[in-house]
Order: sequence, then structure tokens, then C-alpha cells
Amino acid sequence: DAMVIQNPRYQVTQFGKPVTLSCSQTLNHNVMYWYQQKSSQAPKLLFHYYDKDFNNEADTPDNFQSRRPNTSFCFLDIRSPGLGDAAMYLCATSREGQGYEQYFGPGTRLTVT
Amino acid sequence: EDQVTQSPEALRLQEGESSSLNCSYTVSGLRGLFWYRQDPGKGPEFLFTLYSAGEEKEKERLKATLTKKESFLHITAPKPEDSATYLCAVQQGGKLIFGQGTELSVKP
Repeated sequence: DAMVIQNPRYQVTQFGKPVTLSCSQTLNHNVMYWYQQKSSQAPKLLFHYYDKDFNNEADTPDNFQSRRPNTSFCFLDIRSPGLGDAAMYLCATSREGQGYEQYFGPGTRLTVT
Repeated sequence: EDQVTQSPEALRLQEGESSSLNCSYTVSGLRGLFWYRQDPGKGPEFLFTLYSAGEEKEKERLKATLTKKESFLHITAPKPEDSATYLCAVQQGGKLIFGQGTELSVKP
């Protein structure tokens, strides 16, 4: 089945220690998104790639960066995680011209100690 | 400013007790309204897309409707497995603007 895969599902990191979360997709969608979701809150868009074109949200902290080496993979790098960065990180994909329906992965739960 | 508001924040139903969830929106030029289901600790699962006022879509016990200002998610004879958070979002410039969600709990 075509899907969005996120690894790892659970990640524990130390305060200030860089961490990378990964996302892959078999849907062949050209748009990929990263969201941050904290408890009982709506997903908050961090950035998205439209093909190779990177689009950062204005309020995304500089601490968060992303890479998309090819159509299938996208990475979220948190350079110096703080306690406030503990959250669920969601990857999603969509295809231009198909109503931008977004399909989400299962998420990575990040804990910062 | 584009905005999506969902109500109620939480809803408790008995099994078989039908009800509706509301999603009101203010957006210039709606290009799609989306409903998602999210179970605890999981990513949102796509349910429906609605594009124009008067449109309706159904899936099992769920029916989504759309007017010019709001959308409703009707749940008919819910079962405990329908318990989840239901998120509404509108599409704007290729991005989704989410509401805060309605947490639905269905008791047997």
C-alpha cells in the first residue's frame, strides 16, 4: 500500500543535542510538509517543500531545518532541542492539482530530557 | 485573517446517540475543506474533502456537509470505535489551516 512512513516513532534526546527525524513516502507526491503538534493542539505547519522549492513559515524557529534529498525522502533537523520542542512531529504529503489533500504519517513523538 | 473554529471542544455520546460536529470558517475564496480523524498518538487520517456549498459526502456512519460559512460532520448511531479527535481544515495557498478539533468520546 502507498503510504507515508516516519522513523523513528519515538525519539528521546537530551537538551541541546541535535536530532534528525525522517519521513519517506511511496505516494510519489510532489509536496511534503512538516508539522509540530503539541498535546490537545492543532498541527502547526513548520515548513513545506513544493518539489525542491523550500517554504519556511514565518514563525518557525531557526532551530528547525529541513532537507529533501529526493522526491521520496524528507528530514527534519532540530539543531539544539529545548524542552519546549517536545511534541509530536508529523510529516504529510500531497499532490498539486489533486485538491492538496494531505496524507499524514504516524508521527514521531520527541521527548527532550 | 483566515480562521477555522470547531465546536464543541469535547463531546460525549452514548453508543447510538447521533450528533453533529461544527466547523465554521472565514477564508477568502475557499479551495477545499477537509475533515480528518486523529486517534491518540497517531497522525491524522483523511476522511473527506468538500469544495462547494451544498456538497455532501458519506463514509459509513459519517456524513460531511458544507455551507458558505460552515461545515458539519454528522455522526449517525456512533459506536465506541468512533471515539477520536476530529479535525477540520481549510486549504489556502497549498497549505492547511486547522481548527482546534473536537474530541469525541462514545460510551457503550
